[in-house]
Parts: sequence; C-alpha cells; structure tokens
Amino acid sequence: ETGVTQSPTHLIKTRGQQVTLRCSSQSGHNTVSWYQQALGQGPQFIFQYYREEENGRGNFPPRFSGLQFPNYSSELNVNALELDDSALYLCASSLRGGSGTEAFFGQGTRLTVV
Amino acid sequence: DQQVKQNSPSLSVQEGRISILNCDYTNSMFDYFLWYKKYPAEGPTFLISISSIKDKNEDGRFTVFLNKSAKHLSLHIVPSQPGDSAVYFCAARDYSGGGADGLTFGKGTHLIIQP
Repeated sequence: ETGVTQSPTHLIKTRGQQVTLRCSSQSGHNTVSWYQQALGQGPQFIFQYYREEENGRGNFPPRFSGLQFPNYSSELNVNALELDDSALYLCASSLRGGSGTEAFFGQGTRLTVV
Repeated sequence: DQQVKQNSPSLSVQEGRISILNCDYTNSMFDYFLWYKKYPAEGPTFLISISSIKDKNEDGRFTVFLNKSAKHLSLHIVPSQPGDSAVYFCAARDYSGGGADGLTFGKGTHLIIQP
C-alpha cells in the first residue's frame, strides 16, 4: 500500500469540457508529479509541484494546469478537453532532496473523452 | 524521440527460470534509473533502482545492471514466479538542471510467466 490515493477512479467527459482530478500524497512526501499514460504507452510526465509551485513541465500545453495544497495534496485540471486526452492519469508523490527519490504512484484516474 | 526504449513488447518465461528485461536510453544526463511493475487497473509499483555511479544493485530476486558506456540497463528476476506476470517499465531521471525530477518512461515489457 503506497498511501497515494486518487479520485475519481473513472470519469467520462465530453469534448470541450473541463475536468479536475485529485491526488492525496503519501505521508511525509513533499513533491507531487502527474503523468499521462495513453493506451500501449509508458507514462508521460506532465508536470511536478514542490512547495505549492510548479517546478517543471513536460511537453504538455497550458490547458493542463495544476495545484498543490499546503497538505501536499494536488489537483490536475484540464481545460477544453480533446478526444486525445483520453488516458490513465497517474499521480506520484516523492520526497525531494532524497538520493533515492523513488516516486510512489496512485492507482490512477481513467479519463474517457467522448 | 524516445529517450528510453524497451524494445521487447512482451516476454514469455517459464516459472523458475531467469527473466531478463532490457532497456536502452539515449540521454547521457540521466543520473538515476528505476524499474516499475504494473498490474492491470493499478498504478505502477516501484521495484528497484540504480544510481548512474553504480553498475549493479540487488534486492532479493531482483537485480538491475547498468552499462553506462552502452547506455543499457537490464532487470534480472531469479527465479521467476507466477506473480511476476505484469508489465515492467524502465524509467530514468535527468536531474542535471536541478528543477523537476520527473521520470522518463519506456513503453513497457509485458512479462508472462508460464507454469
């Protein structure tokens, strides 16, 4: 049990809508990262939050945005949903500054855009 | 442009034998490598990692080997057990910029352990 929980587990949205996904980090972790995993692909890094600030982003447009709260929980927001946004969205928490920095993942949110 | 490549989409191994999963990378700035295991409908689970300054790390049945000159790493599972059947992802971290330490993943290898 990693302690990282995501909600909801499944979601269906219509193209053009907006969606908010939530993540509760593992206790003691101060960094949260979000990944998108399309079918048949490995997870792709969207962005990372540390001390409530975004401190790095992968190759994703600005309509993907996020928040990190003082308790280190996090949200991923996606505006103007497109069909290609259908994927498994994974949240991972880690402890920044550690030599290991193993990231622990939640079970993911399966988003379907129709 | 894939920086982390797992060229075998699937691998079938008999129970009790050795499973060897391979991974190649192109970014010489990667400083840390990790293997994750994923079952359907679950998030990836951390298995084992290795720093770029080492060439081997062992944890029970799992050993990861790193060959920096070849930009290649491998995961060995000995002996393979039925519960090892899953998708295995190789991942790498580039922390040279000191910013985010997001991971770059390969596409995964589906390991099937046959009885």
